[in-house]
Amino acid sequence: DADVTQTPRNRITKTGKRIMLECSQTKGHDRMYWYRQDPGLGLRLIYYSFDVKDINKGEISDGYSVSRQAQAKFSLSLESAIPNQTALYFCATSDVGREGTYEQYFGPGTRLTVT
Amino acid sequence: QKEVEQNSGPLSVPEGAIASLNCTYSDRVSQSFFWYRQYSGKSPELIMSIYSNGDKEDGRFTAQLNKASQYVSLLIRDSQPSDSATYLCAVNYGNNRLAFGKGNQVVVIP
Repeated sequence: DADVTQTPRNRITKTGKRIMLECSQTKGHDRMYWYRQDPGLGLRLIYYSFDVKDINKGEISDGYSVSRQAQAKFSLSLESAIPNQTALYFCATSDVGREGTYEQYFGPGTRLTVT
Repeated sequence: QKEVEQNSGPLSVPEGAIASLNCTYSDRVSQSFFWYRQYSGKSPELIMSIYSNGDKEDGRFTAQLNKASQYVSLLIRDSQPSDSATYLCAVNYGNNRLAFGKGNQVVVIP
């Protein structure tokens, strides 16, 4: 089984709809992240969480909210989807690597299209 | 805004040659740097991390870091068709947050 799973893998939704993207991990990592990737813009951080009670905004949090239901689960919500939220969304987890600093590992991604 | 620049266009290299990728960053206090490989339609995969000035080798990959000049590079020796991918440079700008460059596409020609 994959260490980091994301559901759904693909989603098409309409403008104004509420949608939730889910991320689960079996790595036992405390730190989890949500990114979006757009052609020509690279990966950008939406929200991150260092534990269940610690949630922080990233560089592009407007229009998004998150919930850390448990150490292993971190969900991203779009309360009212708009077309410019069409993107590839990645969840990531991190833990201390061999050299003592944190390294991030990515889930398979969710391709979201808002029409 | 933390800037990470990867300015080179797509890089085509013959099989067996060395591919060289460069990345510059704006935040002088950054201490850890990463290279990710991303195949089309897939998620980024961590291939190298580097924290100290100098070279770090792992198999066919070598990462080079120069904090004074604020650049980090990646060399891929003996390039293989399976190395054809987009390579993302990432910089930790504090609190384990990463800023990513836009990536460089590498095409290895058999």
